[in-house]
Order: sequence, then C-alpha cells, then structure tokens
Amino acid sequence: DAKTTQPNSMESNEEEPVHLPCNHSTISGTDYIHWYRQLPSQGPEYVIHGLTSNVNNRMASLAIAEDRKSSTLILHRATLRDAAVYYCISHNAGNMLTFGGGTRLMVKP
Amino acid sequence: DTGVSQDPRHKITKRGQNVTFRCDPISEHNRLYWYRQTLGQGPEFLTYFQNEAQLEKSRLLSDRFSAERPKGSFSTLEIQRTEQGDSAMYLCASSFPGFYEQYFGPGTRLTVT
Repeated sequence: DAKTTQPNSMESNEEEPVHLPCNHSTISGTDYIHWYRQLPSQGPEYVIHGLTSNVNNRMASLAIAEDRKSSTLILHRATLRDAAVYYCISHNAGNMLTFGGGTRLMVKP
Repeated sequence: DTGVSQDPRHKITKRGQNVTFRCDPISEHNRLYWYRQTLGQGPEFLTYFQNEAQLEKSRLLSDRFSAERPKGSFSTLEIQRTEQGDSAMYLCASSFPGFYEQYFGPGTRLTVT
C-alpha cells in the first residue's frame, strides 16, 4: 500500500464545511483511497472510498485529483460529533488496512 | 446490536501473565481482522482470517501471540507471558471478502503492570 500524508490536525467551526486533504503521490493504478474516522474511545469507522471518480454518501464526499496523487474528504456541515481522527488509506484488494497518523479534526461550537 | 463485539473491554494484568480476548464479528462476515493501537498512533495490522483459515500474520505478531477462529465465527487472541510493551488497544474488525469496508469493534484495552 502506498504511503499517505495528512496534516496532524485541523480546526473547523460547527455547521461549516470541512476539507481534509491527503497526499498519496506513490499510489498505484489499482489502489483505492479509503477514509476511516475514529471517535474518542471507539474503534475506527468506515467513511467512504473511491478509485478515480468523486464519490458521495450520506456521511461525506470524496474528491479525487485527476492524477490521483491527492484527495480531499469533504464534510459538508461539521457538527460537534464529527470531532475525530480521520485516516486516509491507500488500499489494494481488500486485506489489511495500513493506517498512518491521521488528522485530528477539532470542531468549535 | 448487530455490530462487532469484543470482550472484555478492559483488562489489567501483571507482567508475565497470559490473557485472552474474544471477538464476535458481524454474523454474515467471513473475514476477521485483528489490529493493535497504541496511544496517539493509528491501528497496526496483526492478522486476519477468512472463515477459519488464518491467511496473513504481521511480523508484529511475535511467538507470544496466537489467534484462532475455530469454527469460522468468533475469534480469540491470546498473549502469553505479557510484557509492558503489550499495553495497547486491541481492535477486531470484520468484512465480506471483496468488500472494502471493515467494521470495527470497540476494542479491548490491555494494561500490563
């Protein structure tokens, strides 16, 4: 799995959109980009994944750069419950996940 | 609740003792994963099963660690002769093969004194 790079932390105001960046410059053509998040004292939770096209689900949107070397997780309206560590993972063919340090998102009321 | 469950949630043990953790995956999932997470770090893969077969083990899984999934349902992770460095959160996850989403349990927090 390719290495991913994320900022250590980010802050957002409640009810505003949040854009969480991830660089994966060594990603291979068959690697999917996954996002998980981990709320305090809980196990990680799947958020979204994609290969080339942008993806939307009820939790978030994933915007993937045309060259696939970076992606952005978009939370459309941050709530206090979105405060968590967000992990971006480059992943191929469904075995173990390789987590990095993630981005700690703080949401201010 | 049909999610992944883990037991116990917390375990405190003395160095040198053996401990065993249990994971019950989501019932239709035939893949089961174990991860370990130390404070401030992301989870690290330990091992995974497809049904009862253990298909991959990390080099992190020393000889003191053993995992089983005897009937392809629940799994146990045993640590023998625990060391202080084993103190961590042990996470279990499950998935369908070919599906990318892994569903995690709440974890077992191990403290070795």
